[in-house]
Amino acid sequence: GAVVSQHPSWVICKSGTSVKIECRSLDFQATTMFWYRQFPKQSLMLMATSNEGSKATYEQGVEKDKFLINHASLTLSTLTVTSAHPEDSSFYICSAHMDRDYEQYFGPGTRLTVT
Amino acid sequence: EDQVTQSPEALRLQEGESSSLNCSYTVSGLRGLFWYRQDPGKGPEFLFTLYSAGEEKEKERLKATLTKKESFLHITAPKPEDSATYLCAVQAGASGAGSYQLTFGKGTKLSVIP
Repeated sequence: GAVVSQHPSWVICKSGTSVKIECRSLDFQATTMFWYRQFPKQSLMLMATSNEGSKATYEQGVEKDKFLINHASLTLSTLTVTSAHPEDSSFYICSAHMDRDYEQYFGPGTRLTVT
Repeated sequence: EDQVTQSPEALRLQEGESSSLNCSYTVSGLRGLFWYRQDPGKGPEFLFTLYSAGEEKEKERLKATLTKKESFLHITAPKPEDSATYLCAVQAGASGAGSYQLTFGKGTKLSVIP
């Protein structure tokens, strides 16, 4: 149980284009989903927290107009990187939390490369 | 501000050589301390949650313990397949209130040599 998927697993895009990453909880309803970014040999840095049906809460220093988050249902959240630049290249990981416990369950990650 | 410090940054062990990883934390009102395993290019895999000092949990060759200031992940007779980065994270806040955000340490990269 508690499986989280992400799609795509990797994506290459050109500078200036937008990319959408999906995060799904497959066997449970996630009241809260989190988006993280991880640079090589670094730990996970929280970007934003999203609750179903409400606006995402962004961490300090994360541009909300650049990283658009939509949490339209209890099993799906999307992260759209708008006008991507090479410095946005990173490993993006989502996690999902269910009400009954404190754990976060992580997706497999999406490797974004902007050329 | 919540802080999590993991040591060592990297650890090389011979197969069968037991050792421990450390996670020191500073947090206002610990709700839970979490251990995850992360393989290269993959998302973190949940291992344990510890809620209060004195608590211990075990899974195969791994055992996690918690005090008021730190947590240890003990690895007994490790095998090469235990090679990974082990992440520690804390969640703060009173039960039932606030968000469920995690603050992560930088991890310990474990290499087990056959």
